Amino acid sequence: DTAVSQTPKYLVTQMGNDKSIKCEQNLGHDTMYWYKQDSKKFLKIMFSYNNKELIINETVPNRFSPKSPDKAHLNLHINSLELGDSAVYFCASSQGGPRYEQYFGPGTRLTVT
Amino acid sequence: KNQVEQSPQSLIILEGKNCTLQCNYTVSPFSNLRWYKQDTGRGPVSLTIMTFSENTKSNGRYTATLDADTKQSSLHITASQLSDSASYICVVSDNAGNMLTFGGGTRLMVKP
Repeated sequence: DTAVSQTPKYLVTQMGNDKSIKCEQNLGHDTMYWYKQDSKKFLKIMFSYNNKELIINETVPNRFSPKSPDKAHLNLHINSLELGDSAVYFCASSQGGPRYEQYFGPGTRLTVT
Repeated sequence: KNQVEQSPQSLIILEGKNCTLQCNYTVSPFSNLRWYKQDTGRGPVSLTIMTFSENTKSNGRYTATLDADTKQSSLHITASQLSDSASYICVVSDNAGNMLTFGGGTRLMVKP
């Protein structure tokens, strides 16, 4: 009965590759997010989508492109991966926007070698 | 610039003891403040969420307080258990609702 799920849980890849992380929520929420947590454990919001429309786009390289096929899914595609992209990426969802309680997925640990 | 600072960065306590974690913020205008618990290798889980008019909110052995005048919040954990070992993250939302500012977290270790 997973509320917010992400795949894969672990991703190891080489510099220059393109990869995608998938996220799905079954809570019926209208807003989904992608966060990056670096090695110092700081969480930073990357993107926020409300009803399939982008509402937050923090300073993120344009190699990162979110795609929301429907309200329940928000995928993250990363082009030309760099060493600095290594981190844990969390998907989250909420009902009504960022000021409301967010439910986080289990995270995807990305390692770029 | 909006900032959220947490202290201490890390804390070790013995099982059964109480502890208090601090969060100071400069986010303005303020909408709400949340405390999250993040176990190692997992996503954050919400403990409490407080708006401007709320001074205190409890969730089991966790009690959060908020002083909107001094822009300070604390999370008090009573009778700590080994399962309380985790990072605790303070997050403040601005009044527009689109800006979240995260603290760096406090890493708590509870030892038997």
